[in-house]
Amino acid sequence: DAGVIQSPRHEVTEMGQEVTLRCKPISGHNSLFWYRQTMMRGLELLIYFNNNVPIDDSGMPEDRFSAKMPNASFSTLKIQPSEPRDSAVYFCASSFRGSGNQPQHFGDGTRLSIL
Amino acid sequence: QQPVQSPQAVILREGEDAVINCSSSKALYSVHWYRQKHGEAPIFLMILLKGGEQKGHDKISASFNEKKQQSSLYLTASQLSYSGTYFCGTEDGSARQLTFGSGTQLTVLP
Repeated sequence: DAGVIQSPRHEVTEMGQEVTLRCKPISGHNSLFWYRQTMMRGLELLIYFNNNVPIDDSGMPEDRFSAKMPNASFSTLKIQPSEPRDSAVYFCASSFRGSGNQPQHFGDGTRLSIL
Repeated sequence: QQPVQSPQAVILREGEDAVINCSSSKALYSVHWYRQKHGEAPIFLMILLKGGEQKGHDKISASFNEKKQQSSLYLTASQLSYSGTYFCGTEDGSARQLTFGSGTQLTVLP
């Protein structure tokens, strides 16, 4: 079975450019999470969706960050304009929220470098 | 509220045991444990839901105390493949998402 698929795996761009990260969750999963990981701040939840609806975006750093989930099989995280402090590894994870508690499955991440 | 993990780092020889702790100031709904190797995604290990629960597979097990405020991960007879950073993720009753601890870096030497 295919896991969570993220693209691109690596992104290097200049400050001020728009960056779009993409995620395809595991088929059948109804919850999707975007995380950012840095040495200083660890693994931080940015936003999560349940049934394609954003539930909690309190972790989104500022208005430069936005996330969408137009359907059950695709989500994007956009940074516009990008800044050097946005450099990090961004993970997408998905899970099934049913009657019980289920694990989150992580994609391989996007390593983002803003110059 | 971020859980507190300890120790921050541990170095072992192959065959030795280790314990990693994860604590919260309030009762939790669940605790999830993950392992992450350098440059890779976190991989799910196990979930604990019930106070007093213990579970495990192979030589990696975990417990959740009766008050549901502390969980421990036990690695026995460690292998080289156990090296990595271990994270606990906690879920409280109100927020249906995980808050991760700062991680414990485990290094197993031959």
